[in-house]
Amino acid sequence: DAKTTQPNSMESNEEEPVHLPCNHSTISGTDYIHWYRQLPSQGPEYVIHGLTSNVNNRMASLAIAEDRKSSTLILHRATLRDAAVYYCILIDGTTDSWGKLQFGAGTQVVVTP
Amino acid sequence: DGGITQSPKYLFRKEGQNVTLSCEQNLNHDAMYWYRQDPGQGLRLIYYSQIVNDFQKGDIAEGYSVSREKKESFPLTVTSAQKNPTAFYLCASSIPGIDTEAFFGQGTRLTVV
Repeated sequence: DAKTTQPNSMESNEEEPVHLPCNHSTISGTDYIHWYRQLPSQGPEYVIHGLTSNVNNRMASLAIAEDRKSSTLILHRATLRDAAVYYCILIDGTTDSWGKLQFGAGTQVVVTP
Repeated sequence: DGGITQSPKYLFRKEGQNVTLSCEQNLNHDAMYWYRQDPGQGLRLIYYSQIVNDFQKGDIAEGYSVSREKKESFPLTVTSAQKNPTAFYLCASSIPGIDTEAFFGQGTRLTVV
């Protein structure tokens, strides 16, 4: 399975944008890029996903590099509720095992008032 | 409201005892998953089921067992053969496919003393 690399932690001030990088240099052409986040003592929740084009939803934006070897999750205005561990996960679109999510250690986002 | 319910939230057991963790979903999802999370780590897949009466081992199935007799239920039994059972256990469900998301429960924190 293709692996992802994320920074261990990032800090942001409240109401400032947060850019979370993810490197996936061995990504295959059929891998989807998914992001989940996990608040303390809770189960993960889905944030966003994409294949090639940039994606926007109510929670965040996903910017995917042209060569797809990296991507960036953008939280436009961080709030204290965005403090969580963010996971970047690749899912092979050619298999039926997409739900077998391979979680790394993720990026701990700290939001300062 | 639709969702995944895990019970109990906290569970204590003596070493050598089997214990069963409950996971129920009313989302009408075919696929269900069990993950384990240790402190400071990402989630690891224990077992998954894509259809009733069928399930497959994940990456760390040793010492665990599951059943899938009903679509909405996927209980996990932690047996005495599991050497380090103390962990945070998370259940998830999804519609099979890649252009969708997984929904997670709030987790059960198991402590074996």
